[in-house]
Amino acid sequence: EAGVAQSPRYKIIEKRQSVAFWCNPISGHATLYWYQQILGQGPKLLIQFQNNGVVDDSQLPKDRFSAERLKGVDSTLKIQPAKLEDSAVYLCASSLGTTGETQYFGPGTRLLVL
Amino acid sequence: GDSVTQMEGPVTLSEEAFLTINCTYTATGYPSLFWYVQYPGEGLQLLLKATKADDKGSNKGFEATYRKETTSFHLEKGSVQVSDSAVYFCALSLSGGYNKLIFGAGTRLAVHP
Repeated sequence: EAGVAQSPRYKIIEKRQSVAFWCNPISGHATLYWYQQILGQGPKLLIQFQNNGVVDDSQLPKDRFSAERLKGVDSTLKIQPAKLEDSAVYLCASSLGTTGETQYFGPGTRLLVL
Repeated sequence: GDSVTQMEGPVTLSEEAFLTINCTYTATGYPSLFWYVQYPGEGLQLLLKATKADDKGSNKGFEATYRKETTSFHLEKGSVQVSDSAVYFCALSLSGGYNKLIFGAGTRLAVHP
């Protein structure tokens, strides 16, 4: 079974530029998560989708971050404009459902904002 | 608020030594508890989990027991190997909380031959 796929794996941009990350979850997984992992910290949930609806985006900086999951499968996370403090690894995860289900993580996208 | 605190690393051990990584939590209700592992260059993988008090999760020689009275979920392994070198994350998920994971800061383990 294929795992969670993410691209790109690495991205370097300058501040105030925009960037987008892509995630393809495990087939059949209804729930998709985006986490931000700053160096030396644990991952923090940015947004969670159940199919193509948002169930939690309480920690998403909505003035600069946006995410969508069209058709309830793939998802994109966008940052516009980027700030230095956005340098982090962006992890995508998926699970079958939302109640006690194991989350499976992709390899992450490492973003460096200069 | 809900949070997870784990011991700071790095933890450096010789092969075959005993490992303990401490984890305590603060949560409303009755969370599920997890240990995730991140090997160099790889994504996070679930190592083990426990969903209720006194449950013991185990996998690959690692164990952790859900202790409600001490709000702890310490990770242990009797004899570590070089291949166990990784970063270990303790996490909780709140019941009725849409499965959101709250992670600790992670503990880096380095095992030397």
